[in-house]
This record gives sequence, C-alpha cells and structure tokens, in this order.
Amino acid sequence: SQTIHQWPATLVQPVGSPLSLECTVEGTSNPNLYWYRQAAGRGLQLLFYSVGIGQISSEVPQNLSASRPQDRQFILSSKKLLLSDSGFYLCAWSEGNGYTFGSGTRLTVV
Amino acid sequence: TQLLEQSPQFLSIQEGENLTVYCNSSSVFSSLQWYRQEPGEGPVLLVTVVTGGEVKKLKRLTFQFGDARKDSSLHITAAQPGDTGLYLCAGAPLPYNTNAGKSTFGDGTTLTVKP
Repeated sequence: SQTIHQWPATLVQPVGSPLSLECTVEGTSNPNLYWYRQAAGRGLQLLFYSVGIGQISSEVPQNLSASRPQDRQFILSSKKLLLSDSGFYLCAWSEGNGYTFGSGTRLTVV
Repeated sequence: TQLLEQSPQFLSIQEGENLTVYCNSSSVFSSLQWYRQEPGEGPVLLVTVVTGGEVKKLKRLTFQFGDARKDSSLHITAAQPGDTGLYLCAGAPLPYNTNAGKSTFGDGTTLTVKP
C-alpha cells in the first residue's frame, strides 16, 4: 500500500534561518507530488507541484523553493525564513483521483 | 482561476442533528473530492465524485455532485461528536485546462458536534 512520510511534525525556527522539510512516498512510482500551506482552520494554498525528478512548478512567488532529487522524495526549502512563512505545511501525492496527504509540519518562525 | 466557495464556514450542532455543507463554483470540474481534517493532521480523502448528478453514500454521509459538475453537497445524518472536524472540498480541473493536475480547494467548513 502507498504511504507518505513527512517530517518533522513541528518546528520552531528564528527569522533568517534556513529551512528544510522532507517528504517521501512509498508504494508508488513517478507520483505527482505537491507542497501545500494551510492557514489555521482554512483551505490549502498550493506552493509547488512536481510531475517528476527535477521538475518543479512554482505556484506562488515567495521565499520558498522545492526540489525533487529522487522519484519519491520532495523537499521544501528556504535560505532565510520570514515571519510570514509560519504555517502548517502539507506534502501530498496524487494518482489523479484525489490526494493522499502527509501528517503535516507546523512551522513557527520567531 | 477556478474558485470554490464553501458554506457555511462554521457550523455547531447537537449530536443527532442533520446538516448539509455546500461547495459551489462557476467553473466545471472533472471530479470533486471531499476531505475531513482533524487538528494537527493532514486531510483525509472521504470520497471522489466524477459524474454529474452522482450520489455517493458513506455510512451516514451522503455526497452529491451537481448535474453541471460545478457544485457539490455533503449531508450528514444524525451527526456524532466523532464527525467534528474541518471538511474541505477540492475540484480537479478538466484535462485540457492549463491547471490540469492541480486541484482547487475550498476554504473549508469547521463542524463541531456537541454531545
């Protein structure tokens, strides 16, 4: 069966520090992978989308970047975090009929 | 840009009551999904509806896709405290749409069922 792993679950980082969130998928090959950000109790904002290794589509210009070094690995990064980067970050994969989400990372930038 | 509007934004009811949550758009979608999310967790897919007019039932939950594939509803019968959570709808664009592969999410309905 397919599973998705996302870590860490929570993270507190100072302004200006770097960020690296990792997501891995098991049980599937060549999945579409996504990074979303969610404001408290609200809908999801698509940040990045990848259809394959090295292929990244950026949806929202911002302080973040994404990379896909392996087929089932998706990484969200920042060189210097801003206060506005705080939020709940979700990784997801899809085969076309809905998403399977990771358990999320609560990022607090202080 | 395709938008999905969910209503109501917040809903607080007593255990045993029925409720309906709506998801509306002016855009046509190839399919629509409903998710339930608990605090601190990722959303979990409940159902995908694909055909206009389609009705799917999942125990006490009934999902309907509008005939024109622009809207959907989620009806819960005899709500229970375990139904509490954030309900999100998401529409998948048509295959030839430039946004193909990227679903649009509504802002969600926060449901609280009191014992």
